[in-house]
Amino acid sequence: AQSVTQPDIHITVSEGASLELRCNYSYGATPYLFWYVQSPGQGLQLLLKYFSGDTLVQGIKGFEAEFKRSQSSFNLRKPSVHWSDAAEYFCAVGAGFGNEKLTFGTGTRLTIIP
Amino acid sequence: EAQVTQNPRYLITVTGKKLTVTCSQNMNHEYMSWYRQDPGLGLRQIYYSMNVEVTDKGDVPEGYKVSRKEKRNFPLILESPSPNQTSLYFCASSEGRQETQYFGPGTRLLVL
Repeated sequence: AQSVTQPDIHITVSEGASLELRCNYSYGATPYLFWYVQSPGQGLQLLLKYFSGDTLVQGIKGFEAEFKRSQSSFNLRKPSVHWSDAAEYFCAVGAGFGNEKLTFGTGTRLTIIP
Repeated sequence: EAQVTQNPRYLITVTGKKLTVTCSQNMNHEYMSWYRQDPGLGLRQIYYSMNVEVTDKGDVPEGYKVSRKEKRNFPLILESPSPNQTSLYFCASSEGRQETQYFGPGTRLLVL
């Protein structure tokens, strides 16, 4: 069975600083990988996804993620965070052929310091 | 406006009293899913559906039922709710397996 580990429960960064959120997955076949963001009291919004091809994936809101098969990782990055980026971030792996059978990580809560 | 709606948004009930949480999407999406979100556990998939009359279990299906009689609707049924089903529930839909999944606003359920 597939699994996702997000080792950081809570991260605090200053506004304007760079950000990297870690995600490690376990899956026997080629993974389908996703990053979602959840703002307080809201549903989840897809930031970006990786299915195949270029291992550096660009998403919305200035986020990017890099798939590293050798490290079983799919870390999310942003060069300069904004106060509006404060939210909870979830990494997920798809076990089927996409998003029909997703396993989520436990999430990383991001706090932004002015 | 393209959206996934859930009703009710908040529900308090008692153990054993059957309830249904509705989910509807107006995007003609084929794929729909139900998740529950619990603190420290992230989101866990309950059931998903790939089209009308096609459903399959996710990771935590025990105690839940679903049906997909129409493409736009995917209700979640708790035949005999128990306190361990107290959670935040999300419905989601996508046009296809590799398309963006859109989430509803969530339903917060408390089972006493």
